[in-house]
Order: sequence, then C-alpha cells, then structure tokens
Amino acid sequence: DGGITQSPKYLFRKEGQNVTLSCEQNLNHDAMYWYRQDPGQGLRLIYYSQIVNDFQKGDIAEGYSVSREKKESFPLTVTSAQKNPTAFYLCASRRQGTSYEQYFGPGTRLTVT
Amino acid sequence: DQQVKQNSPSLSVQEGRISILNCDYTNSMFDYFLWYKKYPAEGPTFLISISSIKDKNEDGRFTVFLNKSAKHLSLHIVPSQPGDSAVYFCAANPSGTYKYIFGTGTRLKVLA
Repeated sequence: DGGITQSPKYLFRKEGQNVTLSCEQNLNHDAMYWYRQDPGQGLRLIYYSQIVNDFQKGDIAEGYSVSREKKESFPLTVTSAQKNPTAFYLCASRRQGTSYEQYFGPGTRLTVT
Repeated sequence: DQQVKQNSPSLSVQEGRISILNCDYTNSMFDYFLWYKKYPAEGPTFLISISSIKDKNEDGRFTVFLNKSAKHLSLHIVPSQPGDSAVYFCAANPSGTYKYIFGTGTRLKVLA
C-alpha cells in the first residue's frame, strides 16, 4: 500500500540535543512538507520541498533544518536552537500541479525535557 | 495574522442531525479549499475540497459550500454519526503555490 511513514511514533530527548524525525513516502509525490501541531492551534508549516535538492522555509522554520536528497525522504532535524521543541510533528506530501490535496503521515510526538 | 479562521473551537450535535462547521478566510488569493478530519495522535485525513470557481461540492454525507463574496466556507455533514467525532480543519491553498494555510480546528462531538 502506498503511504507516508513517520518514525518513531514517540520520541524523547534531553534539552540541548539535536534530534532527527524521519519521513518516507512511496506515493511518488514531488512535494513534501513538515508541520507542527500544538494544543489548540492549527497546523503550522515548518518547511516544504517541491522537488529534490530544493526546500523553502515555512512560517516557523527557526530552530529546524531539513534535507531532500531523495524524492521519497524528507527528514526534519529539531536543533537545540528550537526554544519549544515539544510538539506533535506531521509530515505530508502531494503530487505536482495545482489543486491537489495533501496526504499526511501518522505523526511523531516529540517530548524534550 | 490568522488568514484562515475557525471561530468555533467545539460543536456538539445529536446523531442523525446535521453538523455545520464554519471557516472564514481573509486572502482573496486563495483558490482551493480543503477539509481534513483528525483523530488524536494521528495524521489528518482528507475529506473534501472545493475550487474557487465552484460554490458547492458534494461527496456522500459531506458537502462543502463556498461563499467567495463573504470569504466563508462551510462543511455540512448529514446525517452525523458518532464516528464523525473528531477535530476538523479547514485549509486554503493560495493560487500558484504549494503552501497550505490551516485553521485552528473545530472539535465535533456527535452524541449517540
């Protein structure tokens, strides 16, 4: 079955450590996204990538970094510079063109203490 | 500056009745709108969408209405079922971009 996988489901880290969240898709989608969800808030865009080796900052990119070396993969690194890293992180993808919906992965809950 | 607003954080509806979820937007450059359903600790799933050239789109129990002059869209669920209980997000896609702007969500509870 085609879809998006995010691993792990739950992740725990100590403050000051960088951590990388995995996102893989086998939908052959060109565009991939990272969002963050906090209680009572909508999904806020961190980074997105329209094609391999290219990505753009979203609304809350500070303290995060990404890479897009392969079409299928879009890992997100939460650096120690991110002031409030504890959140639910969602990866999404969509095909190239206009007026298409995004498909979301199951999410990773990151807790930093 | 919240470009996509869902002003009702929660809504309770009796099973079998109609659920109406509302969404307002401010940017006239949005030309594609979507509704997603989300259960706790899971990713959102796509429900239904509408292009700005239409004013209605229907898919089974779900209908989305778009009023461009009022910059308002709504999702109607008829009849509502207990399994519809979830958080619903509306999202807007600005013309010519790959970005999506999400609202803050409305938690729907369908009472049996």
